[in-house]
Amino acid sequence: QKEVEQNSGPLSVPEGAIASLNCTYSDRGSQSFFWYRQYSGKSPELIMFIYSNGDKEDGRFTAQLNKASQYVSLLIRDSQPSDSATYLCAVTGPGANFGNEKLTFGTGTRLTIIP
Amino acid sequence: KAGVTQTPRYLIKTRGQQVTLSCSPISGHRSVSWYQQTPGQGLQFLFEYFSETQRNKGNFPGRFSGRQFSNSRSEMNVSTLELGDSALYLCASRRAIIYEQYFGPGTRLTVT
Repeated sequence: QKEVEQNSGPLSVPEGAIASLNCTYSDRGSQSFFWYRQYSGKSPELIMFIYSNGDKEDGRFTAQLNKASQYVSLLIRDSQPSDSATYLCAVTGPGANFGNEKLTFGTGTRLTIIP
Repeated sequence: KAGVTQTPRYLIKTRGQQVTLSCSPISGHRSVSWYQQTPGQGLQFLFEYFSETQRNKGNFPGRFSGRQFSNSRSEMNVSTLELGDSALYLCASRRAIIYEQYFGPGTRLTVT
């Protein structure tokens, strides 16, 4: 079983709509959750992080965490063509405890915003 | 505040050679992690250093090694290069183990 799973896509969303990206993880002990955006040929860029159950909003981005169901999602409102990229979910690694917080990445979801 | 820097940005090496990549973390960050990214395997964790000590290690052969200096700068070395080592090598830093990571621009290594 993969430790962090994402739908590889591609996910196509019309401009102005809401893009919804999902991620599930296997380790119930995971404490920290991150979303990175990666444009083709570039390095990953951190866009959101969330530690507690619930929603966290930052501009057009909302991260949602549900530890009981072991999933984290990213919503992008008013999607723009510049949001077209691969989105990587990252979670603290299996058996995570203070001092062993290895990040495990999903394989990423490719998002395309259609003008 | 300056971001994570990596040198060199591009590198072409021949099979059997060795290579050393360098990473300077964001000022004040004491943790440096290294990743390998390829189209087929995605982002693979190599190792992480914190205060000059290796704290975590991924599933890579011993040809891949690293170290961290007292100023938190880090180097990664790959010996006896193989064609399959062609990849984007990314360095990421964070203030401490429990905080978010920020990536550098990467070093694109091509092994011929």
